Amino acid sequence: DAGITQSPRYKITETGRQVTLMCHQTWSHSYMFWYRQDLGHGLRLIYYSAAADITDKGEVPDGYVVSRSKTENFPLTLESATRSQTSVYFCASNRKNTEAFFGQGTRLTVV
Amino acid sequence: AQKITQTQPGMFVQEKEAVTLDCTYDTSDQSYGLFWYKQPSSGEMIFLIYQGSYDEQNATEGRYSLNFQKARKSANLVISASQLGDSAMYFCAMSPWDRDDKIIFGKGTRLHILP
Repeated sequence: DAGITQSPRYKITETGRQVTLMCHQTWSHSYMFWYRQDLGHGLRLIYYSAAADITDKGEVPDGYVVSRSKTENFPLTLESATRSQTSVYFCASNRKNTEAFFGQGTRLTVV
Repeated sequence: AQKITQTQPGMFVQEKEAVTLDCTYDTSDQSYGLFWYKQPSSGEMIFLIYQGSYDEQNATEGRYSLNFQKARKSANLVISASQLGDSAMYFCAMSPWDRDDKIIFGKGTRLHILP
């Protein structure tokens, strides 16, 4: 199916564990983004990528790692999860100078 | 640095009335795009409307229009004839075209439509 999909939709993990959130898009969009959504903060940009093998930090990158070896995939890894990383995570993609399309979101709980 | 400010955390509006959601932005870029997204209680992010910084006309999409005042760095969303289904969170966003193309969001406004 065409679109942008995130997996898993829900995840509970323990403090200190490594967690990877997956994002896959079928449009061949060059740009991809990761956001976290927390009450009172709106959507904050974690990392973004302009193309395969090109990534850059957003507003809140600490504690996260990204990679983009293929245009269609943009995984987000929490190397050692902390409770403060409990959030809803959104992946998005777009072509240059156009609106972004969002995945369904991943609700992550760190206990 | 870019910044988006939405000063209304919450709004209550009577059904069928028009509503204006405020958005101001701060950027030194000359070329940029402005967006509005809707997030209903189900959680998905829905794109509503786009305005380019060089567009002379205000953007419109059905019941949505964007009141773009470039000199004031304002990009307010106007919803005409509000409906119960318009109850949702609304986010204003901006992306500079000439630099890194990252998209920055405001904190959002929660709109409640009253029957």
